[in-house]
Amino acid sequence: EIVMTQSPATLSVSPGERATLSCRASQSVSSNLAWYQQKPGQAPRLLIYGASTRATGIPARFSGSGSGTEFTLTISSLQSEDFAVYYCQQYNNLYTFGQGTKLEIK
Amino acid sequence: EVQLVESGGGLVKPGGSLRLSCAASGFTFSSYSMNWVRQAPGKGLEWVSSISSSSSYIYYADSVKGRFTISRDNAKNSLYLQMNSLRAEDTAVYYCARANGGYTVGYFDYWGQGTLVTVSS
Repeated sequence: EIVMTQSPATLSVSPGERATLSCRASQSVSSNLAWYQQKPGQAPRLLIYGASTRATGIPARFSGSGSGTEFTLTISSLQSEDFAVYYCQQYNNLYTFGQGTKLEIK
Repeated sequence: EVQLVESGGGLVKPGGSLRLSCAASGFTFSSYSMNWVRQAPGKGLEWVSSISSSSSYIYYADSVKGRFTISRDNAKNSLYLQMNSLRAEDTAVYYCARANGGYTVGYFDYWGQGTLVTVSS
């Protein structure tokens, strides 16, 4: 089983600043990596797939990078609606989610 | 508009059974792999099971293998999860999700709103 490890567990950032979230895979997942955003009481929403492709309707301030075992989600200028929990997921070998990073207002 | 609507959740005793359903609309259901993902209260996401478009490929997480059965009815645009021998640790919100980008695996581009399963005596 591929283990996905996200860091940090909690990230405190001020609105307007940049946020950088990390995700590491225990073995290579190529570019088969997705990022999801989840707000309280809501289903997850797809942000990024293929490690770097934004899903339909996702603002350009969200960007993904990486391949193999190291991945990054960057939110360039945080808006109030971006404070949420973010999960990475590998879909190279079935599916595994990371444990999540909670992005909170500083 | 793509819609996934889960139903069938509720309170069940340990050792009991429950069948979840997911009604799909707004897309060609028979062309996509479908999945169940769960989230225990206050916890992260856990993939549970996957079924390919024609039911040829079925996969389960180790935590549910032998107890849960995924199935689909393409004529009814519906996905199911039969859950037997339920345990307290199966308590969670269960989401159905569409997989895109591959025949057997892919990223989850649409999710339902979830249905809560509570296993307690």
